[in-house]
Amino acid sequence: DAGVIQSPRHEVTEMGQEVTLRCKPISGHDYLFWYRQTMMRGLELLIYFNNNVPIDDSGMPEDRFSAKMPNASFSTLKIQPSEPRDSAVYFCASSKRQARSYEQYFGPGTRLTVT
Amino acid sequence: AQSVAQPEDQVNVAEGNPLTVKCTYSVSGNPYLFWYVQYPNRGLQFLLKYITGDNLVKGSYGFEAEFNKSQTSFHLKKPSALVSDSALYFCAVRDPRENNDMRFGAGTRLTVKP
Repeated sequence: DAGVIQSPRHEVTEMGQEVTLRCKPISGHDYLFWYRQTMMRGLELLIYFNNNVPIDDSGMPEDRFSAKMPNASFSTLKIQPSEPRDSAVYFCASSKRQARSYEQYFGPGTRLTVT
Repeated sequence: AQSVAQPEDQVNVAEGNPLTVKCTYSVSGNPYLFWYVQYPNRGLQFLLKYITGDNLVKGSYGFEAEFNKSQTSFHLKKPSALVSDSALYFCAVRDPRENNDMRFGAGTRLTVKP
């Protein structure tokens, strides 16, 4: 298996622009997570899905952030409009059904820079 | 609510010496505990987990961790550190009775010097 795939790996954009991050989870995994990592705040869970349904989005910082999972093999995290404080590394992770004891598998991340 | 603490931001050891990265947790029931490692410019990589059974868990790259219920700890250890072990290490906890996801610690940066 190719593992969790994220694109793009790097994104540089100007303040006010829309940014879309993409994730393909590992086939057969029913949970998908979006995280943000910064030096100041460490690793933060933004939202997670189970069977394509959002379960907990309490970590989404504000309405400028939205996430979708239209099918089992694809998810997006959108920021509109983007701001410099959104600069971070965004990780997608997935894990199996009945995942309470299962580890999460992380993608390589998308490094977002908003100027 | 579940939580996890990594009391040390940074750990420095000499190559060949044993290493310990500390983790303590707070969970109302019996926890599921995990260790992940992050190398520069990479995603987190699973190292090992404790679910039930033997308190000493062995994982990838020669790492092991010991679950200590009385001290609510799950310290990561390795008998002989390598320079290539230098990375950021995260402890995570999940309460199997709660319908939420795992909580990650703030991370500990391990530096192994030759």
